[in-house]
Amino acid sequence: QQPVQSPQAVILREGEDAVINCSSSKALYSVHWYRQKHGEAPVFLMILLKGGEQKGHEKISASFNEKKQQSSLYLTASQLSYSGTYFCGTERQGAQKLVFGQGTRLTINP
Amino acid sequence: DVKVTQSSRYLVKRTGEKVFLECVQDMDHENMFWYRQDPGLGLRLIYFSYDVKMKEKGDIPEGYSVSREKKERFSLILESASTNQTSMYLCASSNPGTAHQETQYFGPGTRLLVL
Repeated sequence: QQPVQSPQAVILREGEDAVINCSSSKALYSVHWYRQKHGEAPVFLMILLKGGEQKGHEKISASFNEKKQQSSLYLTASQLSYSGTYFCGTERQGAQKLVFGQGTRLTINP
Repeated sequence: DVKVTQSSRYLVKRTGEKVFLECVQDMDHENMFWYRQDPGLGLRLIYFSYDVKMKEKGDIPEGYSVSREKKERFSLILESASTNQTSMYLCASSNPGTAHQETQYFGPGTRLLVL
């Protein structure tokens, strides 16, 4: 079963903050975040491991609430280059695959 | 620089045709994946392979088959294309994870239109 992402789409002005959520009904072992720019391949952003810490880079960070089986991606002071569709991929323990959410389309306007 | 290539960016086929989508990776990855991407549905796993000649069904394998004769190449086959298989198809590869899934590297995608 696919994780549910929210919101489905968000429009921001440059410099504003955004939060994208990913929820699963199943117990998760890890959560992966990818970004896909229009016409391009999805690119890995970060991984959150069960029992691990919040991990991020630059102005993008994420958290993983193991009890709620939820992960959130935080984009601070968004830049034009952050525009794209963000996907979470969830991993259950012992699984050999990721199950991706339906995506969140982020548009950053000047 | 890591690279996953797909044989075509755009493909138009007729209903009932047999369709081959090819994917090649140059990173010596053991795992390879085929996804389809549809608006509002995200990325859905069709098949994956963790070794040569090995394959595992993903979440939506119906109507598809795969072939992996060489480590670097993973083919997706539509035995008899149907209009509901019109979609964007993405290939990905990764190293095997010991404790968790490793980063997947995606190809640019093949947009398939079945008429």
